Amino acid sequence: EVQLVESGGGLVQPGRSLRLSCAASGFTFDDYAMHWVRQAPGKGLEWVSGISWNSDNLIYADSVKGRFTISRDNAKNSLHLQMKSLRLEDTALYYCAKDIRTGPVGAVDYWGQGTLVTVSS
Amino acid sequence: DIQMTQSPSSLSASIGDRVTITCRASQGISNYLAWYQQKPGKVPNLLISAASILQSGVPSRFSGSGSGTDFTLTISSLQPEDVATYYCQKYNRAPPTFGGGTKVEIK
Repeated sequence: EVQLVESGGGLVQPGRSLRLSCAASGFTFDDYAMHWVRQAPGKGLEWVSGISWNSDNLIYADSVKGRFTISRDNAKNSLHLQMKSLRLEDTALYYCAKDIRTGPVGAVDYWGQGTLVTVSS
Repeated sequence: DIQMTQSPSSLSASIGDRVTITCRASQGISNYLAWYQQKPGKVPNLLISAASILQSGVPSRFSGSGSGTDFTLTISSLQPEDVATYYCQKYNRAPPTFGGGTKVEIK
């Protein structure tokens, strides 16, 4: 059974940093690209960042480019999102998501339950 | 970047009705289009990939069609458990943008 378990969310002040993690199990982690997708309260889905199976290709939404860094550790079946210079508009539930393919641009077939990031002073 | 526009943003239909949701891309994306269902309080669920490939376990009343810029998600006979918000997503190239969503309710 595929499991994606996010951690690291919380309440943070504007301008500060936070690091999200996702522990993956139930599939061959290094066979697939991975993504972070977020959903602000009461809003739609917003794709944030994606990483190819071997970390060669990293992609970011314009809204987070230069502030967020995605990474993965295939030896530990883990995905991370380092978030810096956080803004009020980054407040959202952040989902870890598994791609259907190896490249960083694909559909998502499994989602974690999400970790909530609240940016507030 | 290619924009994905869904319509309508919400709809209300009766049990057994045929429901159609459209998704339009601002540029051609071939068939690199996915549809997701998100029930209230739940995580999204992939229904359809490659515009028309139904995922395992998804009821056959769901179907997808289209290519290029215009795509459709159809529920052939609306059921109570289909109350949800539906999203399209394009994935031909970065960024894999989602549409704004269509909220489906029972009349």
